[in-house]
Formats: sequence, C-alpha cells, structure tokens
Amino acid sequence: NAGVTQTPKFRVLKTGQSMTLLCAQDMNHEYMYWYRQDPGMGLRLIHYSVGEGTTAKGEVPDGYNVSRLKKQNFLLGLESAAPSQTSVYFCASSFLAGVPHSYNEQFFGPGTRLTVL
Amino acid sequence: SQQGEEDPQALSIQEGENATMNCSYKTSINNLQWYRQNSGRGLVHLILIRSNEREKHSGRLRVTLDTSKKSSSLLITASRAADTASYFCAPYSGNTPLVFGKGTRLSVIA
Repeated sequence: NAGVTQTPKFRVLKTGQSMTLLCAQDMNHEYMYWYRQDPGMGLRLIHYSVGEGTTAKGEVPDGYNVSRLKKQNFLLGLESAAPSQTSVYFCASSFLAGVPHSYNEQFFGPGTRLTVL
Repeated sequence: SQQGEEDPQALSIQEGENATMNCSYKTSINNLQWYRQNSGRGLVHLILIRSNEREKHSGRLRVTLDTSKKSSSLLITASRAADTASYFCAPYSGNTPLVFGKGTRLSVIA
C-alpha cells in the first residue's frame, strides 16, 4: 500500500517549457488535490477533483491545467512554465465513498520540487 | 472552504516541555484536523476532532475543540527534538477541500 505517490521528485525547467506532474493514489479515494507551497508559506490549493472525469479550480489555478482520466491518477500540467511557478507541489487524496464526511482526512504525497529558470 | 489561523507563528521550547498551539476559524465545521510537516516533506495527518467532540487524545497529543469560540488547541506533551516541525490546523466544513494557513513552526531544542 504505497498511499500517495508523486512523479518526479525534482525537476528543473526553463521558462516557457511545459511539463506534467503525476500523482497516483492506491486508497480508492474519490477526491484528489494539488497544492503548492512557497517558502515560509502554507499550502495553496491549485485545482482539485471530486471524482473521475471532474476537476475544479482552487485558490491559484492560473497557469495550470489538470486532468483526472482515471480515479487513481491526477495530473497537473504547466503549459508554459514561469519563474513564479518555482515551488514545491504536493498532491493529496481523501474520501472513501460511503464514509461520512466528518471522518474525512487527507493523505499527502512527498512533494515535487520544481525550479523554473 | 475556510482557512484556520494558527497561533503563535513560531514557538521554541526545550526538550521535555509541553508545546501548545492554537487555531481559530470563522464558520461552523464538521471536524477540525491537525497536520504536521517536517522540513521538505508532505503533510502528515495527526488527529481529527469532530464537531461534537470536546477533547481527543492520541499518544502525547491532546486536542481540544471549542465550537462556541470557534477555536482549537493542540498540546504536545513531553516534547522531543523529533517534534520539530510545522503544525497546521484545517477546519473542515464538509465536501470541500481543506485550506491551510501558514502554520506554527515548532522548534524543540535538545
């Protein structure tokens, strides 16, 4: 049981390049999330998904796109990377169908450290 | 979604002492969750307290919840150097993503 995994762990991009971050979970969770964390800051929600084939914008969605084609995977895309997107990106998942929301907790991946030059 | 606000922003204590950090929120909740983040790592869920609970224990952790004051506290007893981390609270209102504040940075000095 791997929990939430993220690929890659580190990446350096040049301005204007594109890339996709992959998040995978093996807990059969319905919901998945992408956050970014900048130095000394909390986590800010980029996009999230409440089920396969659905996505929604979070607090800071500009410059990112997401897809949830399979329940276990949530992809975060940067179409044209900018230095302002240098950050650590965390994926999380939560919510088993049939379990009351009051018991909901989120499980986080180890993060992807992205540098855009 | 609503964000919790942790207080203090930073806390430095000696090993063996107790550490208390507080969280305030604004609207009604289903539960409130506390997470820990070690430097450079993902967040780890510590404890969840539901809105109808007032106190909960897990090992050296004690969490209280006062829904009338919209506040929660996390107490870590007999702290250890390994407790050095950032701690985040996350009020959960149901069916919405968790939103995280800046957290409390705890330093436990050996």
